[in-house]
Amino acid sequence: DAMVIQNPRYQVTQFGKPVTLSCSQTLNHNVMYWYQQKSSQAPKLLFHYYDKDFNNEADTPDNFQSRRPNTSFCFLDIRSPGLGDAAMYLCATSREVRGRRNEQFFGPGTRLTVL
Amino acid sequence: GQQLNQSPQSMFIQEGEDVSMNCTSSSIFNTWLWYKQDPGEGPVLLIALYKAGELTSNGRLTAQFGITRKDSFLNISASIPSDVGIYFCASGTYKYIFGTGTRLKVLA
Repeated sequence: DAMVIQNPRYQVTQFGKPVTLSCSQTLNHNVMYWYQQKSSQAPKLLFHYYDKDFNNEADTPDNFQSRRPNTSFCFLDIRSPGLGDAAMYLCATSREVRGRRNEQFFGPGTRLTVL
Repeated sequence: GQQLNQSPQSMFIQEGEDVSMNCTSSSIFNTWLWYKQDPGEGPVLLIALYKAGELTSNGRLTAQFGITRKDSFLNISASIPSDVGIYFCASGTYKYIFGTGTRLKVLA
């Protein structure tokens, strides 16, 4: 089945130690998103790639970076995790074509713990 | 900035009851999406709406895109224990903002 895959599902890192979360998709969607979700809150968009174009949200900290080496993969890099960065990180994809109905699908998420 | 107001924040209902929740916006959008999220998992898309006035069903779920294009509602009929979870609305074009969520608990 076509899907959005996130690895690992659980990640533990130390304060200040760089960490990378990965997302892959078999849907051949051209847009990929990274969201941060803290407990009992709505997902908050960090950034997205529209094809190869990177789009950062204005309030996303510089500590968060992303890479999309090809259509199928996207990475979230947290350069120096702080305790406040502990959260669920969600990857999502959508296929955006003008005039077409577009749906956004999520992966299962990666739960990040910062010690 | 743009935001979606979702209500109620939480609800406790008896198994078999119908549930209704809604989402309102200060802006006009072209798409409304409804998701369900279980603890520790990613949101799962339930229903997508693309046209003002559109009414769409998915099993026991029914959602409508408001005529003003600033609101949407989701109904669940004959609730069952596995309906428990957090329901989010989301709206936008290809970049979506999320509502604050409705936490549903079903009492057997």
